[in-house]
Amino acid sequence: NAGVTQTPKFQVLKTGQSMTLQCAQDMNHNSMYWYRQDPGMGLRLIYYSASEGTTDKGEVPNGYNVSRLNKREFSLRLESAAPSQTSVYFCASSDGRTVNTGELFFGEGSRLTVL
Amino acid sequence: AQSVTQLDSQVPVFEEAPVELRCNYSSSVSVYLFWYVQYPNQGLQLLLKYLSGSTLVKGINGFEAEFNKSQTSFHLRKPSVHISDTAEYFCAVNRKSTGNQFYFGTGTSLTVIP
Repeated sequence: NAGVTQTPKFQVLKTGQSMTLQCAQDMNHNSMYWYRQDPGMGLRLIYYSASEGTTDKGEVPNGYNVSRLNKREFSLRLESAAPSQTSVYFCASSDGRTVNTGELFFGEGSRLTVL
Repeated sequence: AQSVTQLDSQVPVFEEAPVELRCNYSSSVSVYLFWYVQYPNQGLQLLLKYLSGSTLVKGINGFEAEFNKSQTSFHLRKPSVHISDTAEYFCAVNRKSTGNQFYFGTGTSLTVIP
């Protein structure tokens, strides 16, 4: 069972370059999320999609865009990467009925370095 | 607004010793409380959660946590740790009124020493 799959796992970019992080889940979940994890900051929500066709900003959305391509896939795009976006990015999903109860399923993370 | 404070960024403990990882939260509304664990180079996994009812909740791998409303705390405990418990532990809250925004603490790195 794959669960939540993120690609790529590692990426190095130069300032100003663009890239897209891909996320797919095979659990038929309604809700999907993108978090970033930084040392001493914990996890912070960038964007989420409560259901197919909807997206909403989280705590730190500036510099990012998202697309909920279909129920399975939720991508995160950096249009013009900045060194402050160096981080580990996690995609997560949840059954919309159990999101309140903390049943988030996480991918293994994508480590992004912006030079 | 919610905030979650994990007072200890690093906790070293000898194998088979007990451990407590502390978590305090602030919220003006009722919340659900969670502990997640992150093993090296992996995503987070739900360890345990408090939704309602008994204030002592048990999770996977022998961990338990106690909800203390008066002290707004949700400390995680294990009576005897193993090497395999070495990981990063995150406390998180979620408002009962909405479900989409989890607020995570900054994490506690538990290192079990042989």
